[in-house]
Formats: sequence, structure tokens, C-alpha cells
Amino acid sequence: EIVLTQSPGTLSLSPGERATLSCRPSQSVSSSHLAWYQQKPGQAPRLLIYRASSRATGIPDRFSGSGSGTDFTLTISRLEPEDFAVYYCHQYDNSLWTFGQGTKVEVK
Amino acid sequence: QVQLVESGGGVVQPGRSLRLSCAASGFTFSSYGMYWVRQAPGKGLEWVAFIWFDGSNKYYADSVKGRFTIARDNSKNTLFLQMNSLRGEDTALYYCARDYSMTVVAPDYWGQGTLVTVSS
Repeated sequence: EIVLTQSPGTLSLSPGERATLSCRPSQSVSSSHLAWYQQKPGQAPRLLIYRASSRATGIPDRFSGSGSGTDFTLTISRLEPEDFAVYYCHQYDNSLWTFGQGTKVEVK
Repeated sequence: QVQLVESGGGVVQPGRSLRLSCAASGFTFSSYGMYWVRQAPGKGLEWVAFIWFDGSNKYYADSVKGRFTIARDNSKNTLFLQMNSLRGEDTALYYCARDYSMTVVAPDYWGQGTLVTVSS
């Protein structure tokens, strides 16, 4: 089973700042099978990025994904008030799906 | 629009069974793989099970293998999760979710979840 390690655990930033979130798989993951989700309190997760760098429908272009193999990144170019939330990376490999433990982006 | 509505959660004693349902609408249910994903209170997301669009293949997390069964009724646009031999660690909000596609293999649309509490 591939373990996804996200860092940092918590990111304290101000609106307008840039957020950089890391996801490191325990072994190489196909970029086609790496996704990112946003979850706000009391809400279901929302798909942000699929195939490591493709934005899902309706996702603003301040969200971008990059990376390959064992090093993936989600970047929020300028934080808006509604972006403060928990973010999870997700991967699929060999009929097993796993999520990272999450990164909380909180208001500084 | 895509809608997924889970039901069937509740409080159940350890060792007992529960069956969750997920009613789908707004898309061609029989064309999509479907997931169950759970989230324990205050914790992260855990994939539970996945079923192909036609029900021909099913996959499970090790934590539930042999106890949980995923199934679907394409004639009724409904996804199921039969949960047997429930344990305290199965306490969670259970989400059903639609697969984006067979090449992306990630959930896109999610329901709001149904809460399962395993307690004596």
C-alpha cells in the first residue's frame, strides 16, 4: 500500500499570501492517478485537481498542481478567505486507493 | 445536477450489521464506478470500497475486507454497503462518491454522508 505523507500538517497564512502544500508518496505514483481535494468543516470533500495538474470543473485558476513520482505540490497563488480549509492528496495504484493525512490551511 | 444521497446510518452495537444506501441522480449511474469513503470524527479520509460501473469488480480496504460488501442496483440507481461484524473503529461518517473516470480513478462528486456509530 502506498502511503501519502503531506506536509506541513498546518499552514498559517494570511489572505493574499501564497500557499504551498506537499504530498510525498512512499513509492512512485503515476501522475494520472494523483488528485487533490479541499474539505471545509461540515462539508463533503471537493475535487480540486486530478491527473496531478488538471483543474476540476469550476475550480479557480489560483489553484494549481504539479509534480511527479514521489513529489507532488498543490499551490494556491493568492489565498482568498474561502480557501482556508483542509486539503488532502489522493492516489490510486493497483486497485488500492489512499488519502494523505491532510494539511490544514488556517488564518494567521 | 449530480446528486448523491446516503442513508441507513445510525447507532449499532459492536458485532452487529448495518446496510447503507446511496441514491444517485443527475447522471447515468450505470456508466460510473462508485466509492465508499469514510471519515472518523475529527480524522482524515479513508477509502473503504470501490465497485466498477457494471458491478463486475469490487475492491476493499484491508481494514474492512471480509466484513463489508459493496453492491449496486443499476436499475434503481442505488449503491449499497453491507457492513457486518462492526467494530468501534468503524465509527465514521460514510460518504458515497462517483468515480471521475476509469482513467482518472478518483472520486469527483460526493454525497453529504451518513453517520455510523458503533457503540454498546
